[in-house]
Amino acid sequence: AQTVTQSQPEMSVQEAETVTLSCTYDTSESNYYLFWYKQPPSRQMILVIRQEAYKQQNATENRFSVNFQKAAKSFSLKISDSQLGDTAMYFCAFMTARDDKIIFGKGTRLHILP
Amino acid sequence: EAGVAQSPRYKIIEKRQSVAFWCNPISGHATLYWYQQILGQGPKLLIQFQNNGVVDDSQLPKDRFSAERLKGVDSTLKIQPAKLEDSAVYLCASSLETSGGTETQYFGPGTRLLVL
Repeated sequence: AQTVTQSQPEMSVQEAETVTLSCTYDTSESNYYLFWYKQPPSRQMILVIRQEAYKQQNATENRFSVNFQKAAKSFSLKISDSQLGDTAMYFCAFMTARDDKIIFGKGTRLHILP
Repeated sequence: EAGVAQSPRYKIIEKRQSVAFWCNPISGHATLYWYQQILGQGPKLLIQFQNNGVVDDSQLPKDRFSAERLKGVDSTLKIQPAKLEDSAVYLCASSLETSGGTETQYFGPGTRLLVL
């Protein structure tokens, strides 16, 4: 069975700093997808970034980038130049290529401090 | 483009009562998902529809939960009778079609249920 582990329940950083959220996963599948979702206090979940396991290049979306270490089964999210609007719960998630069932981690609550 | 709509946003009921949630996916999205998000945890998939057929309901507690998507558009999720442990946020999501991760799932704002 696939599992997703986020070891940091809560983090706080000053505005404009860089922060890294950790995620590890476990799977025997070779073809899969990894995601970071953001859930602001309004609770509308939105996709931040996606990584295909077969791609070696780390995904980047503006200030958000990932460090994908396939052998270590690690998938961390780096937020550069953090902004107050980045305050939210961040969920690491996993999906096999066989189906569309997303497995979420427990989340990391991120506070960006002014 | 309108997003995924859900109603009600909040619901408080007593245990053993019944409750129903409604979801309207993004227009044209064939796949619809219901998730349960208990406080302090990530969402857990309850059921997945492709058009009006069920793709996966392996984690749906079928003795008390039911869901339908009769015309392949709107969907309702019902709990009857509710238990205290059903207190959670129920999220609806939709995607264009089932395609192994290439289609983004878009989430609604959720319905927060409190069972007393």
